Amino acid sequence: SQQGEEDPQALSIQEGENATMNCSYKTSINNLQWYRQNSGRGLVHLILIRSNEREKHSGRLRVTLDTSKKSSSLLITASRAADTASYFCATDSTGANSKLTFGKGITLSVRP
Amino acid sequence: DADVTQTPRNRITKTGKRIMLECSQTKGHDRMYWYRQDPGLGLRLIYYSFDVKDINKGEISDGYSVSRQAQAKFSLSLESAIPNQTALYFCATSDLGTGQETQYFGPGTRLLVL
Repeated sequence: SQQGEEDPQALSIQEGENATMNCSYKTSINNLQWYRQNSGRGLVHLILIRSNEREKHSGRLRVTLDTSKKSSSLLITASRAADTASYFCATDSTGANSKLTFGKGITLSVRP
Repeated sequence: DADVTQTPRNRITKTGKRIMLECSQTKGHDRMYWYRQDPGLGLRLIYYSFDVKDINKGEISDGYSVSRQAQAKFSLSLESAIPNQTALYFCATSDLGTGQETQYFGPGTRLLVL
């Protein structure tokens, strides 16, 4: 079963607007990651935030993590048409031999 | 990511046939994974391997088997393909030596079982 649940399932915005995507999870984590997938292609790692971090930035990406609420958000600022893709959160749970558990993904469409 | 390659990229097969999907990586990572992706269901883990002598079942291993022939190669077999195994299959690698489980994905194999 999926650990991460993204919200919304789909998001459509105008180029230049900000896109906010949310992820909730259930168990304790070492870190939470966001991946991007262009249509039919492999996933690409975007950003990782550790459980002891609250916010992280990478270019136009800003990720927050609230471990008390077991939730994370991914903000893409000044969106571009090229940001159109599916976005997945993935949690790396605590414990030996941990591995990633992916959510079902959010489809982002950025209209030019 | 060109460091993780999958063959074939597309495959059409018939119900009951045995097929093999192959994955190779040049990243030198110990960990390798096989996932399937279905519309609306996200990625589901089929099998994973933390080193050459280690094979573990994932969330949905029934009907699949794997072989870790070398550190760089991890193959997925469908023993007797059935139509509900039609999906997009991804191989991924990771290196826990970095202290974090970041995965690198191949381009995927699109499988259609008739």
